[in-house]
Amino acid sequence: SQQGEEDPQALSIQEGENATMNCSYKTSINNLQWYRQNSGRGLVHLILIRSNEREKHSGRLRVTLDTSKKSSSLLITASRAADTASYFCATLGRLEYGNKLVFGAGTILRVKS
Amino acid sequence: GAVVSQHPSWVICKSGTSVKIECRSLDFQATTMFWYRQFPKQSLMLMATSNEGSKATYEQGVEKDKFLINHASLTLSTLTVTSAHPEDSSFYICSAPWGLKETQYFGPGTRLLVL
Repeated sequence: SQQGEEDPQALSIQEGENATMNCSYKTSINNLQWYRQNSGRGLVHLILIRSNEREKHSGRLRVTLDTSKKSSSLLITASRAADTASYFCATLGRLEYGNKLVFGAGTILRVKS
Repeated sequence: GAVVSQHPSWVICKSGTSVKIECRSLDFQATTMFWYRQFPKQSLMLMATSNEGSKATYEQGVEKDKFLINHASLTLSTLTVTSAHPEDSSFYICSAPWGLKETQYFGPGTRLLVL
């Protein structure tokens, strides 16, 4: 299994601060994705970074990928109370793995207003 | 954007009964759907890959006779938890790949409580 790990497990910050979450994985990947889950809800796709990319931006989100270290980070800038949620990284392996996503353990983010 | 729905959103049942959960792709066709299980404060664990018109592919450790999957059409996959027990209580989420099939749309989840 290429189950990833994330740290921190939980993060509590003040509104306006930046939040950084890290993810590590074990095997070769096609791409790495970040998803958000509000409490008791389904997941929402945030951003995808391919294995040949090193950094990607989308609004207040910045994702980096270091394939040599098998790690990624998600930065949320100028956080808002509405960003409170769980964040998961997920890796998509090679095609022979059948387009299956493998999820990391997740980081619970709490943004205090 | 594409939408995936699940029904029911929550269900409470007695131990020993069977529960069916539906996953529908509302505005796109999905030849493949995925079923996940999530325990409180934990990550999603893939249970099985549902394939339209053929047998589902189960992950290691998932009992195929207990978790029956039927993908009868390009927009509907069902997961039936047979003879449910309290340890089957969990949050079940389905998803379907879209576009280049690199990302997935997720349903809102079904919370199952077995008494």
